[in-house]
Amino acid sequence: SQQGEEDPQALSIQEGENATMNCSYKTSINNLQWYRQNSGRGLVHLILIRSNEREKHSGRLRVTLDTSKKSSSLLITASRAADTASYFCATIRRRDDKIIFGKGTRLHILP
Amino acid sequence: GAGVSQSPRYKVAKRGQDVALRCDPISGHVSLFWYQQALGQGPEFLTYFQNEAQLDKSGLPSDRFFAERPEGSVSTLKIQRTQQEDSAVYLCASSFYTPNLNTEAFFGQGTRLTVV
Repeated sequence: SQQGEEDPQALSIQEGENATMNCSYKTSINNLQWYRQNSGRGLVHLILIRSNEREKHSGRLRVTLDTSKKSSSLLITASRAADTASYFCATIRRRDDKIIFGKGTRLHILP
Repeated sequence: GAGVSQSPRYKVAKRGQDVALRCDPISGHVSLFWYQQALGQGPEFLTYFQNEAQLDKSGLPSDRFFAERPEGSVSTLKIQRTQQEDSAVYLCASSFYTPNLNTEAFFGQGTRLTVV
């Protein structure tokens, strides 16, 4: 498969709790990006982290990148009902700039 | 336009019919990608253009799939003799190409193709 792997595949948490999703990949990358997809909608870009960065923040989002382990994590703090969606990591492959997606984590925020 | 536009949003095709899916990228975006997303799965890469050049078509599942971008702007993904396994959402994305691609890709809403 050309995809990376995210875990967990599905996650249900109470509103207000933090949600953590992980992503592993296989090839050398230029950067890694996280996207959100609401049901029946297109993908929305959330955050980009370059290969020489280790951590990045954007609002309630915190992304980490460990290139030695070829893994990344996305943390959403103080979750809200509107955060219910599928989350995908995407890597930009260094040798040809191809964007490769994982299978996604389906996040459900319980009221 | 303000974003990537895909048309039609929904397409129902009878098995064996040919379909054409259109993508209008963001003006000035050099790179254009097509992805296929099956229900409950992540997007699978189909093909990639830089301007009018198709640099990578390794993800096209069969020779029934054909993509073009003749003037380096609008792109069309054509599927000939559609089969039921072609049913999926087809996503188009564009980005402003820079070496090492440290820019985000912008996605359209997709075309949901159902083959009956």
